[in-house]
Parts: sequence; structure tokens; C-alpha cells
Amino acid sequence: KAGVTQTPRYLIKTRGQQVTLSCSPISGHRSVSWYQQTPGQGLQFLFEYFSETQRNKGNFPGRFSGRQFSNSRSEMNVSTLELGDSALYLCASSLDTTSGLQETQYFGPGTRLLVL
Amino acid sequence: GDSVTQMEGPVTLSEEAFLTINCTYTATGYPSLFWYVQYPGEGLQLLLKATKADDKGSNKGFEATYRKETTSFHLEKGSVQVSDSAVYFCALSGGLEETSGSRLTFGEGTQLTVNP
Repeated sequence: KAGVTQTPRYLIKTRGQQVTLSCSPISGHRSVSWYQQTPGQGLQFLFEYFSETQRNKGNFPGRFSGRQFSNSRSEMNVSTLELGDSALYLCASSLDTTSGLQETQYFGPGTRLLVL
Repeated sequence: GDSVTQMEGPVTLSEEAFLTINCTYTATGYPSLFWYVQYPGEGLQLLLKATKADDKGSNKGFEATYRKETTSFHLEKGSVQVSDSAVYFCALSGGLEETSGSRLTFGEGTQLTVNP
């Protein structure tokens, strides 16, 4: 079974621009979560989508947004980029979150974003 | 809120040495606990997990036991190899007794370098 895929793998943008990152979960997985990884802040949760609805949201400004499609693929968007948005953005998928149990998350390779 | 604290790194060992990376957590309810590993330039890979107190997770020679009385989940390996060099993250999810979603809270990460 194919793993989580993310595109693009690398991206260079300038301040003020916007960017869209894509994530395809493992087949059959319905939950997609996004994380930001930086040397200073470590791994921080951005948001989670399940059945096309945002289930959880981390403590990030409104410039960070996401969505999920009916096939569970997800995109995240960052508008008005700032230098501090330079990071590795990781997507993770899990099977089912309706049971109330904590499902294991499987991560993609990430998209490395550099803002100049 | 939920939090995870890992021992400060980096950790440098010789091949075949014994490894311990300490991890303690703060959470309400009954969280699941995880160790993830990140190799250079890659995303996170699940190493092992435990979902309830006294559970032992194990994989590839690594072990960790869920200790609720000490709120700990220390990672151990009896004999490390050069190929184990990576960054190790302790994480938890489901800190509340009833919750939905798969939000992970991560520790700071511990860089392990194993020399031949």
C-alpha cells in the first residue's frame, strides 16, 4: 500500500506570496493532519481534517488554512507569507477517528518551504 | 494542556552501546504514547507505540514501557548501530478521556549519533 505523499517536496517563495501544499493520504485513511516543523519551535500541530471537516485546530494565525476533498486528499494554504513560515510542513494520515480511540498517524516526507 | 518533555540532546554513543532516551509527559485522562524517528531529509516514521498503562511497545530492538505512575515512556535499545543515527521524538495523543481526532503533541526531539 502506498504511503502518504506530499507535493511539492521543495518550494521557494518570497514574502507576501501565498502557497498551497498538497497531501494524499494512505488509501482508506480518512483523517489528515498537518504539522509545522522548525528548528526553534519543533513540531507543532496545525489542523486536522476528517470527512471534509476541520476537526481540530492548533494555535496558528488565520493565514494558515486547509481543506479536505471527498477522496480524503488535503491541501493547506498559507497566505501573505512571512520569513518565519520557512519550515518543513508534514502531513499525516490515520484510519478512522470516529471510534474515539487514538489512531496511529503515518507521516509523509514533508514539503520544505523556504520564504525569502 | 498536554505536554511532552524529552531528555536534552544531542546524544553520542559508540556502536553496540546501550541507549536510553528519557521521555515524560503531562496529560489528563489516558493518552496513547508514541516514539517516532526522523532520518535526515525525511518525514517521521512510527517506531513504536503503547496505548495503555504497563503496555510495552517494541520494534527493531527498541522498547518503551508506558508507566502511568511516573508518567514516563523512556526509549531503550540494548545495542545501537550506526544506522540508528537519527532524531527521535516522543509524542502523545488523546490526553482527554473522551476526545476525537488524532492530534499529536511532540517532545523537542533528541538527536542520536552512533559512531563506529
